[in-house]
Amino acid sequence: NAGVMQNPRHLVRRRGQEARLRCSPMKGHSHVYWYRQLPEEGLKFMVYLQKENIIDESGMPKERFSAEFPKEGPSILRIQQVVRGDSAAYFCASSPRGGQGIDEQYFGPGTRLTVT
Amino acid sequence: EDKVVQSPLSLVVHEGDTVTLNCSYEVTNFRSLLWYKQEKKAPTFLFMLTSSGIEKKSGRLSSILDKKELFSILNITATQTGDSAVYLCAVYANSGYALNFGKGTSLLVTP
Repeated sequence: NAGVMQNPRHLVRRRGQEARLRCSPMKGHSHVYWYRQLPEEGLKFMVYLQKENIIDESGMPKERFSAEFPKEGPSILRIQQVVRGDSAAYFCASSPRGGQGIDEQYFGPGTRLTVT
Repeated sequence: EDKVVQSPLSLVVHEGDTVTLNCSYEVTNFRSLLWYKQEKKAPTFLFMLTSSGIEKKSGRLSSILDKKELFSILNITATQTGDSAVYLCAVYANSGYALNFGKGTSLLVTP
């Protein structure tokens, strides 16, 4: 049973370009979470999605960031017009249930975004 | 604002030593506390704790939660170099689906 898959593992973008990060949850999991890890900081929650629905995006910056989890295919975290401050590791996690506070979230290996 | 604080931030021990990592929290509507191990890749799930005083154990690792004093500890006995990693503590609060993470404890086990 494959774990959570993320690609690409490393992504370099120039300022102003768009970044697309992909996440395929574990088989049987329909709940996806995105976290960001800035240097010297802990993991910070960004958004929680179920298939075709954004449930909570309270951790997402208001501009330039969006996320989706379509009926078919991986979840996508999209960052438009990237700036240097977006450089970070972006982790995706999945769980079989959601919203109960007792779910084990399983993490992918992360995408390290570098903005030059 | 919800807070999860881990201590120490970093630790260096010799192989065979026993270590105790600490995690304290101040959150609204606590649900559960989770420990993860992060090497240079995905955080790997270790334990989930929901009830006070009940120890969770897996091999040389064990953990316990104190909901009255709002903290948890992670113990590692007979440490090995493969235990070198960042250990993350995370808490479910409020809505119950966003994990609030501490900054982690970086453990280095030397031969």
